[in-house]
Amino acid sequence: EVQLVESGGGLVQPGGSLRLSCAASGFTFSDQYMDWVRQVPGRGLEWVGRIRSKTGKYSTDYAASVKGRFSLSRDDSKKLVYLQMNSLTTEDTAIYYCATDLAAGSYWGQGTLVTVSS
Amino acid sequence: DVVMTQTPLSSPVTLGQPASISCRSSQSLVYSDRNTYLSWLQQRPGQPPRLLIYKVSNRLSGVPDRFSGSGAGTDFTLKISRVEAEDVGVYYCMQTTHFPFTFGPGTKVDIK
Repeated sequence: EVQLVESGGGLVQPGGSLRLSCAASGFTFSDQYMDWVRQVPGRGLEWVGRIRSKTGKYSTDYAASVKGRFSLSRDDSKKLVYLQMNSLTTEDTAIYYCATDLAAGSYWGQGTLVTVSS
Repeated sequence: DVVMTQTPLSSPVTLGQPASISCRSSQSLVYSDRNTYLSWLQQRPGQPPRLLIYKVSNRLSGVPDRFSGSGAGTDFTLKISRVEAEDVGVYYCMQTTHFPFTFGPGTKVDIK
């Protein structure tokens, strides 16, 4: 069974940083592209970024709203993907979901809430 | 960015009756590999999104066959043949042909 479990969310002040983790199981993690999507509670969905597999040279893409502030990385040996978030603003307050390759039959985690507030 | 629109935004349905949601993209979703990367997601109240259908018409394993997807180019449809109580929620279309990936605004399906 495919499982994705996000962690690392919480309350952070504007300008602060946070690192989210996503632990994967139930599939060949090293072969999968991984995506992050966020959702302001009660609102719609916004794609955040993608990290490709080793065959994709671990390349990344980001939404314009987070480019230069957020960065993705992965540890295939631990089946983990990380979302490093810097220079956070109140606009980044959302539930953050990791998902397997959104372009294929993707699976999503339960999400972790990030609240940016003073 | 590709803009995704959905109609209707709200759909009260009678149990056992069909429901249909339309999704339109501002540009073609046909990729250079000839695949069309249009997906449908369901979000039940208090739950994370769950993928139902990918590449227009492919149901994810475990998704009931009362859900079906169709369409091409810029116009797509999700149909529920007979709505059940567990189908209540918000349905999103999503395109992953062009970066950045974008979502429709969501269609709320509830029971009359």
